[in-house]
Amino acid sequence: NAGVTQTPKFQVLKTGQSMTLQCAQDMNHEYMSWYRQDPGMGLRLIHYSVGAGITDQGEVPNGYNVSRSTTEDFPLRLLSAAPSQTSVYFCASSINDPNYGYTFGSGTRLTVV
Amino acid sequence: AQKVTQAQTEISVVEKEDVTLDCVYETRDTTYYLFWYKQPPSGELVFLIRRNSFDEQNEISGRYSWNFQKSTSSFNFTITASQVVDSAVYFCALSAYNNNDMRFGAGTRLTVKP
Repeated sequence: NAGVTQTPKFQVLKTGQSMTLQCAQDMNHEYMSWYRQDPGMGLRLIHYSVGAGITDQGEVPNGYNVSRSTTEDFPLRLLSAAPSQTSVYFCASSINDPNYGYTFGSGTRLTVV
Repeated sequence: AQKVTQAQTEISVVEKEDVTLDCVYETRDTTYYLFWYKQPPSGELVFLIRRNSFDEQNEISGRYSWNFQKSTSSFNFTITASQVVDSAVYFCALSAYNNNDMRFGAGTRLTVKP
């Protein structure tokens, strides 16, 4: 089925470990974003991309890296995991069309111990 | 800077009641988009509606309606005759005209009791 695919769905990391959250979309969307969702804070933008080779920072970029080598993929890298990065992470994609909102992946629940 | 405020953290209603979820936004842009998303207990985020800053017409979709008022910077969402399946967290969001920096409110958790 077409959409946004996130892997893994669940992950437990130890403090200081690094990992990559994967995000892929097959809708040829130009825009892709990463958000984190924390209780009482809604979704906060980490990084976003308007196309292959172009990325920019959102509200809470510290501790995260991204790259966009293809239109389809937008991985999020945690450089050195910290307990403050325990959260649910959502990847989203969109085209620039007034009738479209973002299509979100199903989320990755990350726990850093 | 863009900001979205959803002052209602939690709302509880009994089935068939009408309920309005408030959303107030701040932006310096003259062209912007407003959104509502639903997050049911299963956790996925579902797009409900998008409205651009030049279209202040109210929108109705079945039991859902949206009231956009630029004069008060509000984009409120009303569910008529609520149902248990409407129980979810609802997010209001705001993005600039180029749609690459969407900011969300903190969300309103709606519980509809039978």
